[in-house]
Amino acid sequence: RKEVEQDPGPFNVPEGATVAFNCTYSNSASQSFFWYRQDCRKEPKLLMSVYSSGNEDGRFTAQLNRASQYISLLIRDSKLSDSATYLCVVNSLNSGGYQKVTFGIGTKLQVIP
Amino acid sequence: DAGVTQSPTHLIKTRGQQVTLRCSPKSGHDTVSWYQQALGQGPQFIFQYYEEEERQRGNFPDRFSGHQFPNYSSELNVNALLLGDSALYLCASSLSKGGFSAKNIQYFGAGTRLSVL
Repeated sequence: RKEVEQDPGPFNVPEGATVAFNCTYSNSASQSFFWYRQDCRKEPKLLMSVYSSGNEDGRFTAQLNRASQYISLLIRDSKLSDSATYLCVVNSLNSGGYQKVTFGIGTKLQVIP
Repeated sequence: DAGVTQSPTHLIKTRGQQVTLRCSPKSGHDTVSWYQQALGQGPQFIFQYYEEEERQRGNFPDRFSGHQFPNYSSELNVNALLLGDSALYLCASSLSKGGFSAKNIQYFGAGTRLSVL
């Protein structure tokens, strides 16, 4: 089983739609969680951190479910500019006490006019 | 405030050659991590440098080596290139503040796209 699993998609949604992505992780000791956005042939850019209580940033809402070991990203009122790959990132500490960063494969979103 | 910068942006090499990629971290950051991203995949962790030492390493062969300089910049070297080494190589920097936290956020450079022919 992969440490971080995502549905690669693509998710094709019309403008204005609401879309949700899930990401599951296998390490129950994982400590922090992020969503990154990656445009085609560009570097990943931090979209938002994911907090235990859930958090919102404009049209984007992230949630964490530690019991079921998954995080989610909800995008409301999708825009054409939201078309990108969304990478789930899970941070933990390895046996040496150093930060271990694990990426999912990414979920591709295509917003259609 | 300069972000993470990488050079070169693109590189074409042939099998068996050696390559060196360079990274300057975001101002104020002291930790550099390198990732390999093959087409259609998420970034895979290669190794991380802090205080000029390799602190941890992913599942990559010894052909992949690196270095961190006193100014925190870093190099990634790949020897005996294989066709499968063709990928986007990403450098990420973060601030460890002398300690490691799983909450440290990494910021990425634009990457070096390596093609091995």
